[in-house]
Amino acid sequence: QSALTQPASVSGSPGQSITISCTGTSSDVGGYNFVSWYQQHPGKAPKLLIYEVSNRPSGVPDRFSGSKSGNTASLTISGLQAEDEADYFCSSYARNSTLFGGGTKLTVL
Amino acid sequence: EVQLVESGGGLVKPGGSLRLSCAASGFSFRTYGMNWVRQAPGKGLEWVSSISTLSSYIYYADSLKGRFTISRDNAKNSLYLQMNSLRAEDTGVYYCARDRRDTTDSFDMWGQGTMVTVSS
Repeated sequence: QSALTQPASVSGSPGQSITISCTGTSSDVGGYNFVSWYQQHPGKAPKLLIYEVSNRPSGVPDRFSGSKSGNTASLTISGLQAEDEADYFCSSYARNSTLFGGGTKLTVL
Repeated sequence: EVQLVESGGGLVKPGGSLRLSCAASGFSFRTYGMNWVRQAPGKGLEWVSSISTLSSYIYYADSLKGRFTISRDNAKNSLYLQMNSLRAEDTGVYYCARDRRDTTDSFDMWGQGTMVTVSS
């Protein structure tokens, strides 16, 4: 069970859009439409942003969107805001287990 | 208030044991699958274990090699993690997390976490 691959860091200016990738294999990301994304601010618990590739729980702004192509999933944040600065983790169902990505630190410049 | 509250963390010597607890409130605990997820200091998230509503299905991360045991008591609205033969690499914050309703693919509620430190 190897972790999913995410870039260590991304950055963007307020109002811009950024995309974070999450690469797995055909046994996890590519094999199921069960990719989720979580946001974690320092010292806080993770918060679910996206489930089943592209669905948002109630209360999550539509600035956050998800997609998937093959073995790679993506999280796009449009109209960046200062409060979006946080760590972002992807996850995927993988046959009776859950794999997480290593996390991406988003810096809002 | 809808919440999960973990407890039981602390400092333990290598080879020792700890039992973590997670108290659920504000929702029908017995109708949700539950999980433990950990995070080493400064590192990413790692799924540890999951348990279905009636404890019929229990799964663990391969890396644990049988050292941890997950359980739940629906009458007490509580989730547990018994950790044995602890190693330094088990150090981190342990979160309990609720499955999204009727699914096992994402976690829609998390506790605040409890810190486990394994050190001599």
